[in-house]
Amino acid sequence: GNSVTQMEGPVTLSEEAFLTINCTYTATGYPSLFWYVQYPGEGLQLLLKATKADDKGSNKGFEATYRKETTSFHLEKGSVQVSDSAVYFCALSDRSGYALNFGKGTSLLVTP
Amino acid sequence: EAGVTQFPSHSVIEKGQTVTLRCDPISGHDNLYWYRRVMGKEIKFLLHFVKESKQDESGMPNNRFLAERTGGTYSTLKVQPAELEDSGVYFCASSQDKGRETQYFGPGTRLLVL
Repeated sequence: GNSVTQMEGPVTLSEEAFLTINCTYTATGYPSLFWYVQYPGEGLQLLLKATKADDKGSNKGFEATYRKETTSFHLEKGSVQVSDSAVYFCALSDRSGYALNFGKGTSLLVTP
Repeated sequence: EAGVTQFPSHSVIEKGQTVTLRCDPISGHDNLYWYRRVMGKEIKFLLHFVKESKQDESGMPNNRFLAERTGGTYSTLKVQPAELEDSGVYFCASSQDKGRETQYFGPGTRLLVL
């Protein structure tokens, strides 16, 4: 079945540091890949997505590239801000289904 | 445009009691999904409605859980009787179309069963 594995948190970074959160997946076919973010006290928000191999999703300075050869979708940001502190979830949706399969989430804390 | 809303935001009940969670999707969204996150685990899919019909309920854990979407608008998820392992955060999401379309999530209902 489908599954998503992402790095365990919490991750603590200083402001302006470089961020990488690793995400790898197992799926049949050609899934769509997503990063969702949950800010404190709020619901999940779509951060970015990619629907086919080699696509790069980007939003708010975050990027992730769909790598079929390594079955990965790592999230990166060149310079994090305190306001980026949140929980980040990697997810996939396969061709045939509607359900999203999520990773466990990675908590990020950015300190001034 | 209002987002997905969920009620209540928190619920604390005793084992054996009944709880009903409500989700109001974004207006015009035919697809409605329920997910659950148990402490320390992944967010897991529970079921999917298309309008008032259950499209996929493969993630429902057992027959203590009953989801409805009468009229194809808001949805309720009832847990009866609640057990300790039902504690977690229940998320609702909606989308305009199926499959690869973006799902918009509500803030979740935090359920604690004592």
